Amino acid sequence: DIQMTQSPSSVSASVGDRVTITCRTSQGIYTWLAWYQQKPGKAPKLLISAASSLQSGVPSRFSGSGSGTDFTLTISSLQPEDFATYYCQQANSFPLAFGGGTKVEIK
Amino acid sequence: EVQLLESGGALVQPGGSLRLSCAASGFTFSDYAMSWVRQAPGKGLEWVSSISYSGTITYDAESVKGRFTISRDNSKNTLFLQMNSLRAADTAIYFCAKVTLPEKLANGGFDYWGQGTLVTVSS
Repeated sequence: DIQMTQSPSSVSASVGDRVTITCRTSQGIYTWLAWYQQKPGKAPKLLISAASSLQSGVPSRFSGSGSGTDFTLTISSLQPEDFATYYCQQANSFPLAFGGGTKVEIK
Repeated sequence: EVQLLESGGALVQPGGSLRLSCAASGFTFSDYAMSWVRQAPGKGLEWVSSISYSGTITYDAESVKGRFTISRDNSKNTLFLQMNSLRAADTAIYFCAKVTLPEKLANGGFDYWGQGTLVTVSS
């Protein structure tokens, strides 16, 4: 099974800050990695698929990169609506797996 | 507009059974694999089960294998999760989710999610 290591588990940041979240997998998954944003009481929202493909309607301040085992989600300039929990997910093989989550909090 | 609407969540005693449903609309249901993902209170996301677009291939997490069964009725655009021998650890919000890419079981992640249905296992 593929193990997911997402870091940090939480980050405090201010509006306008650049935020970077990393996800490492225990085996190579090519670029089959997705990133989600989840706000309290809501379903997750897909931000990025295939490591770097921005979903329609997602602001361009979100970007993803990486391949193999190391991946990054970057928010270039944090906005008030971006305070949420972010999850990575490997979509290469079963069993599918999510990272533990990164809570982005207001500093 | 794509919509996924889960139902069937309830309070159930340990050892009991429950059947969740997910009614899909706004896309060609029979072209896409579907999955169930759960989230225990205050915890992260956990993949539960996936089923191919045709319904012929299924995968389950080790934690539910032999107890949960995923199925689908493409004529009714509905996804199911039969949950047997429920345990306290199964307490969670259960989301159904649509795979992004047609005919792919997983690649591309999940582009649409339902609002979730709460399953509580307690005596």
